[in-house]
Amino acid sequence: SYELTQPPSVSVSPGQTASITCSGDKLGDKSACWYQQKPGQSPVLVIFQDNKRPSGIPERFSGSNSGITATLTISGTQAMDEADYYCQAWDSSTLCVFGTGTKVTVL
Amino acid sequence: QLQLQESGPGLVKPSETLSLICTVSGGSMTSSGYYWGWIRQPPGKGLEWIGTIYYSGSTYYNPSLKSRVTISVDTSKNQFSLNLRSVTAADTAVYYCARQGATSGGYFDYWGQGTLVSVSS
Repeated sequence: SYELTQPPSVSVSPGQTASITCSGDKLGDKSACWYQQKPGQSPVLVIFQDNKRPSGIPERFSGSNSGITATLTISGTQAMDEADYYCQAWDSSTLCVFGTGTKVTVL
Repeated sequence: QLQLQESGPGLVKPSETLSLICTVSGGSMTSSGYYWGWIRQPPGKGLEWIGTIYYSGSTYYNPSLKSRVTISVDTSKNQFSLNLRSVTAADTAVYYCARQGATSGGYFDYWGQGTLVSVSS
C-alpha cells in the first residue's frame, strides 16, 4: 500500500521559517495538499494542488512538490501556526492517502 | 456557506455496525466536480481516509477497510452515510465527513465538526 512519511515533529522560533516534508514514491507525479489541525478542531485545508492557497489562508503558507517529496513552508511563523500538519495525496491508482502527521511547535 | 454535520450513535458494541449520516447544507451534493468523503482519527493518532462517494453513487474505499465499509448517498435529503460492520475497539475514533474535489487533487475543502464514536461493550 502507498505510504506518505512525515517527520513527527518540527520546532521553529517565532518569525523564522518552518519546513515540513512529506515523502512518498513518485509523489511528484501526484497532486499533494496540506491540512492544519489544532487540538479539538477539524482539519483545515491550507495548500491544495501542490502550491495553491485556499481563500483566507495567509500568504506565509506555501507548498511545493517534486520527485518523492512535497514540502509545506511556513514563512514568518507565528504562535498561531502551532498545530499538527498532514499531507495528503490522491490519484486514480493510490486513491486517498494521508501522511503520518507533523507536530509544529513554535518555541 | 457550505456546512456538513455528522450524526449518529456515540457508542457502538463490538461486532456490531457503526452507522453515521452526514447532512450537507448550504449547497447541493449534486454539484458537479465534488465527491463526498469519510475520514476518521483515533484518539491521539493521525487521519485515515475511509472512503468517498460521488452523487451518482460511485464509490472508492480504503483497501484496508473495504471489506467492512459501505458508503451510500441520498440526494433527496442531501445526505450521505457510512456503515462500518463488525467493529472492534480499534474503530474507536472521531469520524469526519468532508467535501472532496473531484478534479485534480482530491483535496477535502469543507469538513464537518466530527463525531466521536466509541466501541465498547
